[in-house]
Amino acid sequence: GESVGLHLPTLSVQEGDNSIINCAYSNSASDYFIWYKQESGKGPQFIIDIRSNMDKRQGQRVTVLLNKTVKHLSLQIAATQPGDSAVYFCAENTYSGAGSYQLTFGKGTKLSVIP
Amino acid sequence: NAGVTQTPKFRVLKTGQSMTLLCAQDMNHEYMYWYRQDPGMGLRLIHYSVGEGTTAKGEVPDGYNVSRLKKQNFLLGLESAAPSQTSVYFCASSSLGQGAVEKLFFGSGTQLSVL
Repeated sequence: GESVGLHLPTLSVQEGDNSIINCAYSNSASDYFIWYKQESGKGPQFIIDIRSNMDKRQGQRVTVLLNKTVKHLSLQIAATQPGDSAVYFCAENTYSGAGSYQLTFGKGTKLSVIP
Repeated sequence: NAGVTQTPKFRVLKTGQSMTLLCAQDMNHEYMYWYRQDPGMGLRLIHYSVGEGTTAKGEVPDGYNVSRLKKQNFLLGLESAAPSQTSVYFCASSSLGQGAVEKLFFGSGTQLSVL
């Protein structure tokens, strides 16, 4: 079946630097992508989303880029802070027929911020 | 703001025992979901509900049952626990289905160990 994957399972970044977390997806029919942040001992929290008809979307200190040609999604975090340390998941939303959709999560990338 | 509340937070079971995980949301959301999270596997959908009195199977439903008797509550039951069900369980809710552009709100999780 289709799946969402991540290029790097762990990422260490110096405080103040920019972070880039990558995600590859294989289902060209996916129309909606979401990034979630999961801090230790907590549930995932929504960060930002992007529709398949967009290439870029910006939030507060975060930017999501979508490259449909190579089926690649990235999350950029500007001026990374210690509070950004967490596991980041990408998820893709795909229509699975009969009016239903399926949200498929990637395995996650652990971001560690070095003070 | 309570959001999505899961109880209990931790539980240890012996093989063959039964238990029920409770999820409650105070956001008047129609849709509720149960996921399990295992190392290296990401989040996988167990069962979901599109409204009071309705339930449907997700990606990994075997060994679990659910009930949605009240709109604000979604119960996940294990009738005969197995070691393979050792996992972290997350409940989530949303006001629209996964097909719409709507983010999921997650609870803080239940760590279940089956010995």
